[in-house]
Amino acid sequence: QQQVKQSPQSLIVQKGGISIINCAYENTAFDYFPWYQQFPGKGPALLIAIRPDVSEKKEGRFTISFNKSAKQFSLHIMDSQPGDSATYFCAAETSYDKVIFGPGTSLSVIP
Amino acid sequence: DAGVIQSPRHEVTEMGQEVTLRCKPISGHNSLFWYRQTMMRGLELLIYFNNNVPIDDSGMPEDRFSAKMPNASFSTLKIQPSEPRDSAVYFCASSSGGRNSPLHFGNGTRLTVT
Repeated sequence: QQQVKQSPQSLIVQKGGISIINCAYENTAFDYFPWYQQFPGKGPALLIAIRPDVSEKKEGRFTISFNKSAKQFSLHIMDSQPGDSATYFCAAETSYDKVIFGPGTSLSVIP
Repeated sequence: DAGVIQSPRHEVTEMGQEVTLRCKPISGHNSLFWYRQTMMRGLELLIYFNNNVPIDDSGMPEDRFSAKMPNASFSTLKIQPSEPRDSAVYFCASSSGGRNSPLHFGNGTRLTVT
């Protein structure tokens, strides 16, 4: 039972382009939505996060858009760079600390 | 800050053998999580502890899996007996335990069961 859905599974973007990854959830008990970035051979690391009372959060080239009524959220990476090539996981968390991850998106940014 | 430390980095064992994975969380963190990562199933939460007490072990796949946290600075995940389908990367993560505090992951243990 997949509580957090994520698409696409893989994404290839040209350098300087915009990378967009979409996620959806069902459980309305989720109240925090982090994104994690994972490089090969490493564990995931927190990239950016948003609460459902906010529709957008921006940190540098990374922006989360959140649509509470549709139970959807997305990550936009502006001016994508080869160094952004990694696997990205959206996640959802309840107030008691349990973090559920989406299946992940493998992003490749080509020069 | 040493981060979360996992050992070993790689483990190759034969089916039926006991496997023990180890984790040292970040000092001062009071929540600890064990995740398993595979291509087919992604990142699955196996179990998590708060203040050394198991809070939710609903993700532990079978009785062959067990986890302990004898003190705030050490946790183990044991598989006995191991099976080829247990092959995966196992991650340990810790957090400060406050609401919505970020997970800090170790670099994982890649387990191969032949």
